[in-house]
Amino acid sequence: DTAVSQTPKYLVTQMGNDKSIKCEQNLGHDTMYWYKQDSKKFLKIMFSYNNKELIINETVPNRFSPKSPDKAHLNLHINSLELGDSAVYFCASSPDRAGGTQYFGPGTRLTVL
Amino acid sequence: KNEVEQSPQNLTAQEGEFITINCSYSVGISALHWLQQHPGGGIVSLFMLSSGKKKHGRLIATINIQEKHSSLHITASHPRDSAVYICASFGNQFYFGTGTSLTVIP
Repeated sequence: DTAVSQTPKYLVTQMGNDKSIKCEQNLGHDTMYWYKQDSKKFLKIMFSYNNKELIINETVPNRFSPKSPDKAHLNLHINSLELGDSAVYFCASSPDRAGGTQYFGPGTRLTVL
Repeated sequence: KNEVEQSPQNLTAQEGEFITINCSYSVGISALHWLQQHPGGGIVSLFMLSSGKKKHGRLIATINIQEKHSSLHITASHPRDSAVYICASFGNQFYFGTGTSLTVIP
């Protein structure tokens, strides 16, 4: 059974389009995250939700909007895609917000043409 | 300057060699994590350390809180250990090292 799943795995789209990436965890965790990994493989936190409440919102363009319908799901919607949005996006979860072990999804490679 | 620095950036070793990857940090943290990113892209959490030493199979992680330094050791390295190793801290603030790309040659 997959612990943290993301869909789609690959996403190729044109500049200006709007796209969503979905994430689900079946671990019963309270906290979920979105990370961006750039072309140099550097990871950066984007958002974190704890029990459907936004707790971390790093300096990210407001074209990026996370949505957590329940504590098992955290989706990422991106409006007006730009070339610089091309990256791998990872979803993760942890039991709580205290900085414990994180469980990562397989990643979504977004390519904006 | 990154709050979390790793060295070396790249490392090539012969199968069987003992490997050490270092992580130094300049911020106060409650715990340090070591992550492994496979060539296929998946990220796995290896260790979470707040003090001392932890061992899992051929992997050993140590941390010195006073010196703000952690090391990841791999004994009897194997080509399947080839991956990028990242040290990180999670909590109120999130810090990531730049990663160490390890290649183990048969």
